[in-house]
Order: sequence, then C-alpha cells, then structure tokens
Amino acid sequence: KAGVTQTPRYLIKTRGQQVTLSCSPISGHRSVSWYQQTPGQGLQFLFEYFSETQRNKGNFPGRFSGRQFSNSRSEMNVSTLELGDSALYLCASSFIGGIDYGYTFGSGTRLTVV
Amino acid sequence: QQQVKQSPQSLIVQKGGISIINCAYENTAFDYFPWYQQFPGKGPALLIAIRPDVSEKKEGRFTISFNKSAKQFSLHIMDSQPGDSATYFCAASPKETSGSRLTFGEGTQLTVNP
Repeated sequence: KAGVTQTPRYLIKTRGQQVTLSCSPISGHRSVSWYQQTPGQGLQFLFEYFSETQRNKGNFPGRFSGRQFSNSRSEMNVSTLELGDSALYLCASSFIGGIDYGYTFGSGTRLTVV
Repeated sequence: QQQVKQSPQSLIVQKGGISIINCAYENTAFDYFPWYQQFPGKGPALLIAIRPDVSEKKEGRFTISFNKSAKQFSLHIMDSQPGDSATYFCAASPKETSGSRLTFGEGTQLTVNP
C-alpha cells in the first residue's frame, strides 16, 4: 500500500513569508503527527491530529499551526518565517496512535528559509 | 524532564559484530519506547518498540533491553550488516498521549564495515 506522502519535497522561502506543507497519510490512518528535524535540535514534536482535532501539541511558537481534513490529510503552516525554521519537516501517520500500531513517517519536506 | 539521552553519538562495528546503543530517560510518565532507523533522504522507520512491563523484546536481529528501575533502555543489533549502516533514534512517549507524542534521543550514526 502507499506510504505517507509529503509535498512538496523541497521548498525555498524568504524570511517573513509563510508556508504550507501537505501530508497524505496511509489510507485508513486517522492520527497524523508532525515533527521538525534539524542538526542542532534533532527530532522535535510539533503537534498531532486525530479525527480533525489537535490531540497533542509540542513546545513550538504559535507561528506553527496545523489542521486535519475529514479525509485525514493534514497540512501544517508556518507564518512569518525565520532563518531558524530551516529544517526537514516530517509527517507520520498511525491507525489510532503509536502504542499499538506505531507511526509510519514520510520522507519529509526540506524547507530552506533565506 | 522531557529529555531522552542517547549514546554513543557514533558507532563503528565490523560485519557480524554486535551493535549496542543506549538511552536513558528521566520522565517516569514515559511508558512507550520505540526505536527508529533513518537512512539519508528518508524519514525514520519503526524498528521495534517496548512497554515497561517487559524487560526484553526481540525481533529478528534486533533486541530491546529495558531496565525500568534505572530508567534505561538499549538496542542490540546482532550479526550487524553493512546494510544496517544508518542513524538510529530511541524515543519515548508519555502514557497520556498513547504513543503519539514522541521525544527522541539525539541519534547514533552506525557504520558497519564489510
């Protein structure tokens, strides 16, 4: 079956702009999580959505937001981009949650802020 | 209290050898401990996971050892192969998030020489 699909794969934005990243989970998966991966901070949890509701949230500023649609597809938005937002943004999906089913990650969107 | 400490940062082993990666945590609310493998250009892939009610779990060449009293867990890769060369991450998730909010270790770059 198809894996987790993230689009676009690469993105270059200018400081101050906003960006929207997209994630299509594995068919039937209802939980979608987002992570930021950087060389300095590693993998950090952004937020998780389940059945269109934000179920968990990490420690990122309000400039980072997300949403989930009725078909479980998810988007994350970063407003007023800063140079430090340059990172690999990873989306992961699971049937219900991590414990019983584990999360499957996509290959990520590489965001570069210049 | 949310951190997961991982060591070593890098590891080189010979083909056929045993690779051992260690992690320690402080938050006693963590109750789900997965290990992920990441190849360059790809997202992390779930290898194996354990809950605190067992001390060891084995899947093929991969074994997790868990010491609840010491708040430590480790990944053992038996008969290491060059194809195992990748970055490995331990992670932990608190009970109230059902495995959905993962805190990752810093990662271990494993190189298996032929």
